[in-house]
Amino acid sequence: SQKIEQNSEALNIQEGKTATLTCNYTNYSPAYLQWYRQDPGRGPVFLLLIRENEKEKRKERLKVTFDTTLKQSLFHITASQPADSATYLCALGPGANNLFFGTGTRLTVIP
Amino acid sequence: DSGVTQTPKHLITATGQRVTLRCSPRSGDLSVYWYQQSLDQGLQFLIQYYNGEERAKGNILERFSAQQFPDLHSELNLSSLELGDSALYFCASSPRDRGPGGYTFGSGTRLTVV
Repeated sequence: SQKIEQNSEALNIQEGKTATLTCNYTNYSPAYLQWYRQDPGRGPVFLLLIRENEKEKRKERLKVTFDTTLKQSLFHITASQPADSATYLCALGPGANNLFFGTGTRLTVIP
Repeated sequence: DSGVTQTPKHLITATGQRVTLRCSPRSGDLSVYWYQQSLDQGLQFLIQYYNGEERAKGNILERFSAQQFPDLHSELNLSSLELGDSALYFCASSPRDRGPGGYTFGSGTRLTVV
């Protein structure tokens, strides 16, 4: 069955540095991949979508790459701020007409 | 405010009971998705409705059922509740039946079964 691994459950980084989160998947060839941010006790918030034919996508301080050969997506936050502290989820689609989520990486940006 | 409204925010109930969770999608969205999030399993897809019709089913237990009404709000019914059903239940909506595009999530219903 399809599997998503977001390596490192938690990542601590100094303010101002670039945070890099990894999403690896197996047994699946997604047409697109999405990244969400989730704060404690809140619902996930959509950040970025990247399609299988796109290598890179940017939005303000966020950058996502998608390597279908490696079956991997990297999510970068440049010039990280304490307000960026949250859990970040990657999701693959379509999976039986829905999104299939990873368990997330908890990012803490230290002032 | 995401535009997706879930009620109630918190629910505490006893084993064996039945509860109903309610979701109103963002204005204009026709699809409603239900997800369960527990500490050890992350977000698990339960079921999707599009414009009143069931479109996809995930790991939804037979004790659970859902429907989407003509006004597009959706209800998730959980019966014969067990301790293991304690979790956050999220509803999300999107304008599409399928295809790429972000989901808009509500703030969830935290269910505690005691």
